[in-house]
Amino acid sequence: QKEVEQNSGPLSVPEGAIASLNCTYSDRGSQSFFWYRQYSGKSPELIMFIYSNGDKEDGRFTAQLNKASQYVSLLIRDSQPSDSATYLCAVNVRGYQKVTFGTGTKLQVIP
Amino acid sequence: DTAVSQTPKYLVTQMGNDKSIKCEQNLGHDTMYWYKQDSKKFLKIMFSYNNKELIINETVPNRFSPKSPDKAHLNLHINSLELGDSAVYFCASSQGHSGNTIYFGEGSWLTVV
Repeated sequence: QKEVEQNSGPLSVPEGAIASLNCTYSDRGSQSFFWYRQYSGKSPELIMFIYSNGDKEDGRFTAQLNKASQYVSLLIRDSQPSDSATYLCAVNVRGYQKVTFGTGTKLQVIP
Repeated sequence: DTAVSQTPKYLVTQMGNDKSIKCEQNLGHDTMYWYKQDSKKFLKIMFSYNNKELIINETVPNRFSPKSPDKAHLNLHINSLELGDSAVYFCASSQGHSGNTIYFGEGSWLTVV
């Protein structure tokens, strides 16, 4: 089982819709969760991080964490073509000195 | 000013050659990393240094040798390059090494022919 799993996509949504990106992780000791966005040919950049169960909102982005289900998601409201990118989920396990990345989900927002 | 800068951005070289990639960060972070992203876009950690001390070495072939002269610099030297080494290599940094935000450089595109 992979440590961090994501559907590779592509996930296609129409402009203005809500895009829902999902990530599951295998280690119950995980305590820090990150969403990075990577445009084609560019480096990953942090969108959001979340540490506690529940929702965390930042503008059009909402991160949702459910530790019991070992599941973290990213919702993008009012999706824009500029949101088209690969979204990487990343997880840090308590006591471990590294952040593990998923393989990413490619999002396409159709105008 | 670029927070994490790495050079060169593009590198095309022949099999068997030795090459280096340099990285510098001006964020004042104490931890630096090298990540490799392959053609399938999987981003995998190779090395991590905290205050010049190696703390992560993810079973990378010993042809890869990182070197951290100070906490703002982390270079990567690769000996006897192989076709499979072709990838994008990202340098990154963070404050601490246990789950803080990682800031990436722009990447170095290495092609081995």
